[in-house]
Amino acid sequence: GESVGLHLPTLSVQEGDNSIINCAYSNSASDYFIWYKQESGKGPQFIIDIRSNMDKRQGQRVTVLLNKTVKHLSLQIAATQPGDSAVYFCAENIVGGSNYKLTFGKGTLLTVNP
Amino acid sequence: DTAVSQTPKYLVTQMGNDKSIKCEQNLGHDTMYWYKQDSKKFLKIMFSYNNKELIINETVPNRFSPKSPDKAHLNLHINSLELGDSAVYFCASSSNYGYTFGSGTRLTVV
Repeated sequence: GESVGLHLPTLSVQEGDNSIINCAYSNSASDYFIWYKQESGKGPQFIIDIRSNMDKRQGQRVTVLLNKTVKHLSLQIAATQPGDSAVYFCAENIVGGSNYKLTFGKGTLLTVNP
Repeated sequence: DTAVSQTPKYLVTQMGNDKSIKCEQNLGHDTMYWYKQDSKKFLKIMFSYNNKELIINETVPNRFSPKSPDKAHLNLHINSLELGDSAVYFCASSSNYGYTFGSGTRLTVV
């Protein structure tokens, strides 16, 4: 299947369970963080973002936690559904910085078993 | 209406050929990007343009030449294609906070 040879971190959960996807970011100057979902054959799709002046932000079924001390982000998905199966990326940026780019983490493949 | 559209979606070509990928955004964003996604799904920036001006060139070989005729378009031309250029190429645009990606162009060099 598609995952062969990818060497992505993977997370397999049962439908209805909660999922937690973790990400370590690299730049202590980053002040804006985004989680993206990428389904097979599609581009990355925005899920939720958080500024560095917050440590938690909630959306619909998703929560992002930010720990600046250890440069760690997590994405929690409540009541995971088969449609949540995808690769999830965290990305970091400096708002107003001159580098105009998102730096992406490695990605985690989430598989939801019905 | 598709916010960021890129064409073609698939491109299969022989080594040594020259090819172009086009990108257009209708979001009114000032900044556009090209990202490359390799077989391990790693996404890496190649170029960014702000108001038609090149801001970032991440040590991409000069066989890759982006062109931005206006701030709604950012095209990518690739000369002398090599096997290692096979990847999925994503165009994106952004405002201060929001980044929007196109659906990708899968380039296969044979």
